[in-house]
Amino acid sequence: EVQLVQSGAEVKKPGESLKISCKGSGYSFTSYWIGWVRQMPGKGLEWMGIIYPGDSDTRYSPSFQGQVTISADKSISTAYLQWSSLKASDTAMYYCVRPMVRGVIPTSFDYWGQGTLVTVSS
Amino acid sequence: DIQMTQSPSSLSASVGDRVTITCQASQDISNYLNWYQQKPGKAPKLLIYDASNLETGVPSRFSGSGSGTDFTFTISSLQPEDIATYYCQQYDNLPPSFGQGTKLEIK
Repeated sequence: EVQLVQSGAEVKKPGESLKISCKGSGYSFTSYWIGWVRQMPGKGLEWMGIIYPGDSDTRYSPSFQGQVTISADKSISTAYLQWSSLKASDTAMYYCVRPMVRGVIPTSFDYWGQGTLVTVSS
Repeated sequence: DIQMTQSPSSLSASVGDRVTITCQASQDISNYLNWYQQKPGKAPKLLIYDASNLETGVPSRFSGSGSGTDFTFTISSLQPEDIATYYCQQYDNLPPSFGQGTKLEIK
């Protein structure tokens, strides 16, 4: 059974750094793209980017390029989403996803983690 | 970027009703469209892929149709457990994008 298990909720101050994680299991971690989707409070879904753990090829949405860093450690089957300097507007639920991919385009988001709530407040 | 516009934004219906949600793309996306269900406090769940194909295990009261720019999602007979927000999503081009969601409530 494919599972994506995310790290727990975080409360941070503006300007702080943060790295959240997503551990994949039940499949070959290096053979599938894995990525992140943001959901701001009371709002819709936004695709942030994906990484292929097999070779670390990474693609970002233009909206998130330069704002976050997506990485993966294939030795422990874990993907990461990282901020160097958080803003209040980063407050959101972040979902780890394992999409089907055509070329480098995520098609369907078949598997989802349980979500990590990030709250940024002074 | 391709913009996806869903309507209505919210909808109230009775158990047993037929419910229809529409999704319009800002350009032709062929049949590269999915539908998701998100229940409160939960991650979204894929219901329909490629505009009209039912994901394994999804009840047959859910269906989808359309191609090009105009798509429809239908629940043939609304059940209490269908209370959720529904999203369309296109994957014709990067970045994949979602509609703003339709919140479905029981009347």
